[in-house]
This record gives sequence, C-alpha cells and structure tokens, in this order.
Amino acid sequence: DGGITQSPKYLFRKEGQNVTLSCEQNLNHDAMYWYRQDPGQGLRLIYYSQIVNDFQKGDIAEGYSVSREKKESFPLTVTSAQKNPTVFYLCASSPAPGTGSDTQYFGPGTRLTVL
Amino acid sequence: GQNIDQPTEMTATEGAIVQINCTYQTSGFNGLFWYQQHAGEAPTFLSYNVLDGLEEKGRFSSFLSRSKGYSYLLLKELQMKDSASYLCAVSDSNYQLIWGAGTKLIIKP
Repeated sequence: DGGITQSPKYLFRKEGQNVTLSCEQNLNHDAMYWYRQDPGQGLRLIYYSQIVNDFQKGDIAEGYSVSREKKESFPLTVTSAQKNPTVFYLCASSPAPGTGSDTQYFGPGTRLTVL
Repeated sequence: GQNIDQPTEMTATEGAIVQINCTYQTSGFNGLFWYQQHAGEAPTFLSYNVLDGLEEKGRFSSFLSRSKGYSYLLLKELQMKDSASYLCAVSDSNYQLIWGAGTKLIIKP
C-alpha cells in the first residue's frame, strides 16, 4: 500500500524534553512538509524539503529542527518542548512542486501533549 | 500580506445543497485547493482549480474566478458523512500553500 505514515499517533513528553516525530512515505514524492494545526487556525508550515539533503524554514520554524537524509523520511524534532495545549502535527508530501503536480497528501498526524 | 477568508461554520440539512465560499489575497497564484478534514483526522484532497470555471467531481464541484480572488466548493445531496471541516488553500508564487482556517460544516437530519 502506498502512503504516508506518521508515528506515534499520540505522544506525551515532559516540558523541556526534545521529542522526534517520524514521517515516512513510499509514494516516491520529491517534496515533504511539516505543518502544525492549532484549534481554529489554518495549517502553519514549519519546515519543508524539496530534495534530499536540503530543507527550508517555513513560517514557524523556531523551536523545531528537521533532516532529510533519505527521500522517504523527513523526521521533525521539537526542541525543548514547551507546555501548551495538545498540538496536532501533520506531515505531507507532494510529487513535484512547482510543476503543477504539487497536490499535497497528508499522513494521519501525531498529537503531542507536553506535560 | 497573504490572506485566505472562509466562513467559520455553516449548517445544512441532509439531502440539500451547500456552497462554501473562499476569498483570497496572495502574492502570486498557482492554483487553489480544497481539502476535507473530519474531526481528529488529517486533511484529504478534494479538488484543484488553476483555470477559471467549474470543476465537477461527483457530488462535489469547485469554482474559481481568478479576477475576483474567489472560489467556492459546492456539495450536493448532502449526507451525514459530509459533516467535516473544509479547508481552502492557495499555492502562491513560490508554490507554497497558504491555508484558510477552515469552514466547519454541520449536517442536520
């Protein structure tokens, strides 16, 4: 089955700890994205990568880091997590950004709660 | 700045038709997307418009007017399973998606 997987579905961490969220895709997509969704707000872009070993900051990159060592994988690290309401993190991928084939497809998401 | 506006919430009756509007102001335009998001789940792709006009896909249709910075999503023969949030997103000059906050659609029997 082709798709995007994120694990785990629910994650709990203590304030101040780093936490890494995984995102894997087997769709052979070039681009991958990380978004944050807070209640009542649109999706906000954290980081994106259009090619292996390259990534760019989105609108809210502070407090986050990423890597893109393999085409299939784009893990997100929340550095020194702050206590706040549960946040929904969404990973997405798209075939070929900038060519008209840039529809983004989403993984199931990870809900992070910092205690 | 860049801005996407859509109503926060709408209510409709099972079997009826509903139109969800989206207006946008972005730096450049490379297409407009509609996604459906059920509560607690990830968004799923519904439609993509890059040229003016109406795109029909089963019970769902999407319309675009680039000169007016306006789109709508039309849902016909509403079913209870259509209760969800509908997200409008515009691809800007850098092919980055700018997202609206979403419209929560409530279907009543």
